Amino acid sequence: KQEVTQIPAALSVPEGENLVLNCSFTDSAIYNLQWFRQDPGKGLTSLLLIQSSQREQTSGRLNASLDKSSGRSTLYIAASQPGDSATYLCAVRFLGSGYALNFGKGTSLLVTP
Amino acid sequence: ETGVTQSPTHLIKTRGQQVTLRCSSQSGHNTVSWYQQALGQGPQFIFQYYREEENGRGNFPPRFSGLQFPNYSSELNVNALELDDSALYLCASSLERNTDTQYFGPGTRLTVL
Repeated sequence: KQEVTQIPAALSVPEGENLVLNCSFTDSAIYNLQWFRQDPGKGLTSLLLIQSSQREQTSGRLNASLDKSSGRSTLYIAASQPGDSATYLCAVRFLGSGYALNFGKGTSLLVTP
Repeated sequence: ETGVTQSPTHLIKTRGQQVTLRCSSQSGHNTVSWYQQALGQGPQFIFQYYREEENGRGNFPPRFSGLQFPNYSSELNVNALELDDSALYLCASSLERNTDTQYFGPGTRLTVL
């Protein structure tokens, strides 16, 4: 069964800290992996998209890595800010699953001033 | 360029009733996907429509059905509502069915009593 798992489920850090969110997936046969941000009761905003042939993507203070062989991805957030507080979701498009995105349950991040 | 919009924002129904949720895709996008997100969970893929035809379906019963119109707006219909159907329903549009970048709407919060 193709599954996506995110650890930790929740994280609280003081402002300014660098942090890492983890995502693991059960099948290495993937098209791509995406990281999304979701604010409470809102829709999803795409942060980074990594194709299966890529190892990492960067956007501003965000860096996402992909290790397909081990079934792992990390989202690194540098110099965290209170505005980064949100739920971060990892989604994998597996080969053979069409165009469906398979999501983890997310990591709820709180950055305190 | 307008984003993805969904209506209504919130909806309360009773068990056994039927509901229709609406989604207006981003301009020029011919593909729409629907996801169900239960509280504390990641979104689950319901189905995708491409040029008015269903183009893939997740593990949801037939009482979940959809339509896509010539202007590429979309509806999600759920018959015989159950308590477990209470969730945030998200639609996402993309330029083409094989485009990885999907733009999510803000969602419709459905409560079934």
